[in-house]
Amino acid sequence: GENVEQHPSTLSVQEGDSAVIKCTYSDSASNYFPWYKQELGKGPQLIIDIRSNVGEKKDQRIAVTLNKTAKHFSLHITETQPEDSAVYFCAALLLTGFQKLVFGTGTRLLVSP
Amino acid sequence: GAVVSQHPSWVICKSGTSVKIECRSLDFQATTMFWYRQFPKQSLMLMATSNEGSKATYEQGVEKDKFLINHASLTLSTLTVTSAHPEDSSFYICSAPGTGGILYGYTFGSGTRLTVV
Repeated sequence: GENVEQHPSTLSVQEGDSAVIKCTYSDSASNYFPWYKQELGKGPQLIIDIRSNVGEKKDQRIAVTLNKTAKHFSLHITETQPEDSAVYFCAALLLTGFQKLVFGTGTRLLVSP
Repeated sequence: GAVVSQHPSWVICKSGTSVKIECRSLDFQATTMFWYRQFPKQSLMLMATSNEGSKATYEQGVEKDKFLINHASLTLSTLTVTSAHPEDSSFYICSAPGTGGILYGYTFGSGTRLTVV
C-alpha cells in the first residue's frame, strides 16, 4: 500500500527564518497532496494542497512544491512566526481501492521569538 | 467553507461502557466520512470509512464489532466505541471530502479526546 515518509520529525527555527518540511510517497498513482497544521488538542486544518498536474503552489508565506518523477513534495514556510508553531502533516491520496488519505508521520515545528 | 462539527470534544468513561462520537457536516452533504485515531505524538491512522446508506469499510486490524459506525444520513456519521478499555483512550477525528468530491479537499472535525478509566 501507499507509504508516506516525512522529515524532519522536529524542526526548530528562529522567528523570521524559513522552514522546509519534506515528504516522499510510494504510489505513483497518487494525485492529490495536502498539508495540514494541527495545534494541540485540535483537528488538522488544511493549509495548502497541490494536485499532480501542478509543480508549485503558493499562498502568501506558504508554498508547496511537487516532483512527480522523484515522488516527493515539500512545504515551505517563509518569514516564520511563533504562531506557526504546531505539528504539520503531509498526506497523499491513495487512488487504489477506496480513495483515502495516507498521512506522513508529522513534523513538530517550533518557532522561537 | 465546508464545516464538520464533532461532538463531544472530550469524554471520560469507565471501562466496559460505550461512548458515541458524532460528526455532522453543517453546510454540505457528506456521503463519505473517514474516521481516524491518533495516539499522542503520532500520526493519524485511518480506522474506517463510512458511506451513507451502506456498511462501513474497516481498515485491517480494526475490530468492527468494537468500533460501530453508522452513517444514517447525508449529514451525520457516528462512531460508537463499545465496551471501552483504557487502551482505547485516544484522540478520534472524523473527516469528510468537501463539496465537489475527494479531490477538492477534506474537512476535519475538531476531534474527540477519549479517556477510559
